[in-house]
Amino acid sequence: DIQMTQSPSSLSASVGDRVTITCQASQDISNYLNWYQQKPGKAPKLLIYDASNLETGVPSRFSGSGSGTDFTFTISSLQPEDIATYYCQQYDNLPEFTFGPGTKVDIK
Amino acid sequence: EVQLVQSGAEVKKPGESLKISCKGSGYSFTSYWIGWVRQMPGKGLEWMGIIYPGDSDTRYSPSFQGQVTISADKSISTAYLQWSSLKASDTAMYYCVRHSPGYAFDIWGQGTMVTVSS
Repeated sequence: DIQMTQSPSSLSASVGDRVTITCQASQDISNYLNWYQQKPGKAPKLLIYDASNLETGVPSRFSGSGSGTDFTFTISSLQPEDIATYYCQQYDNLPEFTFGPGTKVDIK
Repeated sequence: EVQLVQSGAEVKKPGESLKISCKGSGYSFTSYWIGWVRQMPGKGLEWMGIIYPGDSDTRYSPSFQGQVTISADKSISTAYLQWSSLKASDTAMYYCVRHSPGYAFDIWGQGTMVTVSS
C-alpha cells in the first residue's frame, strides 16, 4: 500500500502570507497526485489535479508542484476564505485512491 | 449543471440495514466512475470503492471489501452504498464523488450523515 504523509498537520498564518504544505508518498507516484480543499461543514473541492494543474474556476493563488515522492501545495497570498483543511490524494496504485491525513489552515 | 445529490441523513440502530443513494445529473452518468468516500467525525477522508455505472464494474478498497456493497441503477442515474448490518463504527459522513477521466474526484455530493446508535 502507498502511504501519504502531510506536513504540517496544522498551521496559522496571516492574511496575505504565503502558505506551503508538503505531501510525501511512500513510493514513487509520478505526478499522480491531487489536492482538495474542505471548508468546515462542507464537502471537499478539487483544487489541483495531476500535481500541478489548476482545476477550472479555482483562483490562481493556489498552485501545486512536485513529482515522484515529494509534492508541494502553495497559497501565494492567504485569504480569509481559504480557512479549510487541505488533503493530498494519490492515484498511482489504481484502484486505490489514498488520501493524506490533511493540513488544517487557520488565520492568525 | 453537473451535480450529485445524495439522500438525507439517517439514524439507525446497530444491526440494521441501510442503503443510501447518489443521483447524478447534468452529464452522462454511464460514462464516469462514481466513488464513495467516508469521513468519520473529526477525521480525514477515506476512499471506499468505485463503480462504473455503464457496466456495473465495481472495485473496493481492501479496508471496506465485504463491509459494504456499492451498486448503481443506470436507468435512473443513481448509485448506492449499502450495509447489511450496521455497527456504531459506521457512524460517519459519506460522500459520493465523480471520477474525472484523469482520476481526480471532480464533483462531490453534499454528503449523507449516517448515525448508528442504540
